[in-house]
Amino acid sequence: GENVEQHPSTLSVQEGDSAVIKCTYSDSASNYFPWYKQELGKGPQLIIDIRSNVGEKKDQRIAVTLNKTAKHFSLHITETQPEDSAVYFCAASRWPGGTSYGKLTFGQGTILTVHP
Amino acid sequence: KAGVTQTPRYLIKTRGQQVTLSCSPISGHRSVSWYQQTPGQGLQFLFEYFSETQRNKGNFPGRFSGRQFSNSRSEMNVSTLELGDSALYLCASSLPPTPNSGLAYYNEQFFGPGTRLTVL
Repeated sequence: GENVEQHPSTLSVQEGDSAVIKCTYSDSASNYFPWYKQELGKGPQLIIDIRSNVGEKKDQRIAVTLNKTAKHFSLHITETQPEDSAVYFCAASRWPGGTSYGKLTFGQGTILTVHP
Repeated sequence: KAGVTQTPRYLIKTRGQQVTLSCSPISGHRSVSWYQQTPGQGLQFLFEYFSETQRNKGNFPGRFSGRQFSNSRSEMNVSTLELGDSALYLCASSLPPTPNSGLAYYNEQFFGPGTRLTVL
């Protein structure tokens, strides 16, 4: 089955710096890659996603890149702010469904700390 | 629009007991997925329901079961609880694409706040 590796496990940056989190996946048939942010005591919140038919997507300070050949994708956060501090998860999935209906395979998470 | 709601938010049980957790999806969402989150194993897929049918199941023992009702609300049940079942149980809802809609219409999963289960 699919396996997703995420690095680093912890990331500490100064306010205003950029943060990059990287993930690799094993199933070449995966074609949907969301990123989630989880704050303490809350469920994961979708912050951005990318599909295999595009290589990059941006939403204000957040961007995601996808390299299908190398089977890795990355999250880039620019101009970090203290409120960006949280646990970030990458995930991979395959559509159409079949044995993948509703299933996201998650990375292990990255604890991001932004120091004021 | 209200988000995904899960009840109860916290639960304490003892080994051998059983537990039922509830999830109400976002209005209009018909697909519900369940995940277990632990510090050691991370987020792991349990199962997915659509139109009262389980379409997919993860690698969990048969003690973990679920169901979905006609109003799309879902429940999951864990029988004969073990210490290792202590976890945050999350459900996520989404609008499932139609069979022929293709990749562009893969719909996002929106998570609830979870139910924190502690097994003593």
